[in-house]
Amino acid sequence: GESVGLHLPTLSVQEGDNSIINCAYSNSASDYFIWYKQESGKGPQFIIDIRSNMDKRQGQRVTVLLNKTVKHLSLQIAATQPGDSAVYFCAGGSNYKLTFGKGTLLTVNP
Amino acid sequence: EAQVTQNPRYLITVTGKKLTVTCSQNMNHEYMSWYRQDPGLGLRQIYYSMNVEVTDKGDVPEGYKVSRKEKRNFPLILESPSPNQTSLYFCASSLDPGGKGQPQHFGDGTRLSIL
Repeated sequence: GESVGLHLPTLSVQEGDNSIINCAYSNSASDYFIWYKQESGKGPQFIIDIRSNMDKRQGQRVTVLLNKTVKHLSLQIAATQPGDSAVYFCAGGSNYKLTFGKGTLLTVNP
Repeated sequence: EAQVTQNPRYLITVTGKKLTVTCSQNMNHEYMSWYRQDPGLGLRQIYYSMNVEVTDKGDVPEGYKVSRKEKRNFPLILESPSPNQTSLYFCASSLDPGGKGQPQHFGDGTRLSIL
């Protein structure tokens, strides 16, 4: 089956800086990838997704990059704010199944 | 308000005592799914349902049952809970994730402790 992992378990940034959270995956058959944000005591919240036939997608203050050659995707958050502090998960999906990475804790310092 | 509602939010119980965690969504979504979240292991899929009366195993289905008699409800059943099922459980729903990548909407979780 697919395994999806993260390079770093924690990331600390200064308010206003850009954040980059990385994720590696092993299953090339994933049709799409999703980034979720999870705040303490809550369920994962959708941030942005990208289909496997794309290499970049932008949202509001967030950009996801997909490099299929090295099976890597990243989430870039521009002008990181204290409200961005949370655990971020990448997930790969195909055939109605979603496989999550273990998460990166993002801490934003004022 | 569009939401996925789980009940109970917290439960402490004993080994072997059957329990059910309910999940309901008000978005008319066809797809629903259950996950458990454990430290160091992330979210792992237990069961999912593509539509009414259609369910399938995820990555960790052992010890769990589900049913999908109505579109809006997808209960998770632990017939004989054991301590290794102590975890944080999430229910999710989606319009159609299969092939279209529709994002899943998650509930706020149910924390189960099996003594």
